Amino acid sequence: GAGVSQSPRYKVAKRGQDVALRCDPISGHVSLFWYQQALGQGPEFLTYFQNEAQLDKSGLPSDRFFAERPEGSVSTLKIQRTQQEDSAVYLCASSGRTESSYEQYFGPGTRLTVT
Amino acid sequence: RKEVEQDPGPFNVPEGATVAFNCTYSNSASQSFFWYRQDCRKEPKLLMSVYSSGNEDGRFTAQLNRASQYISLLIRDSKLSDSATYLCVGVTGGGNKLTFGTGTQLKVEL
Repeated sequence: GAGVSQSPRYKVAKRGQDVALRCDPISGHVSLFWYQQALGQGPEFLTYFQNEAQLDKSGLPSDRFFAERPEGSVSTLKIQRTQQEDSAVYLCASSGRTESSYEQYFGPGTRLTVT
Repeated sequence: RKEVEQDPGPFNVPEGATVAFNCTYSNSASQSFFWYRQDCRKEPKLLMSVYSSGNEDGRFTAQLNRASQYISLLIRDSKLSDSATYLCVGVTGGGNKLTFGTGTQLKVEL
């Protein structure tokens, strides 16, 4: 079946522009996660949704970052007034979450470059 | 100090060698641990879970020592295709949050 998909795969933005990154999770997965991965680092947790509810947004680095999942499926991560330090790969993951499994399935990521 | 710490490497080993990666974690509330594999410019993928009793999957063995807050991954008879970055991962928040180490880069050479 289809995995997690993300679009666009690459995005170049000028400093100060707003960007929107899309994530389509695996069909039926109730949990959706966003991570930020800087060059040479592991992914860093940003936020988590269970269905349409955003249950944890403790990793969002500033109020310029906003995520939504209005119908409990597709999610959008929006970054306002982008800064150079926002340049990173943004990974989306989804999980079906049985009681015994925490496996998260990752999408290919969106590579954001802010110039 | 990061919650999950790994030696970034790179580890350059010849094909057929045995290589071990270590990872330490500081959050004693971490409930579960995993090793993920990430190929260059690709997404992370689950390699295996880590249990206190040890977990073996073919050439790969993972071990957790809760008393020392230490996790290991052993790769036997390494192949060229094992070249990747190996990420140590702790789970907190009821399984809602994965905390990744920086990753250890492995290069297997002829």
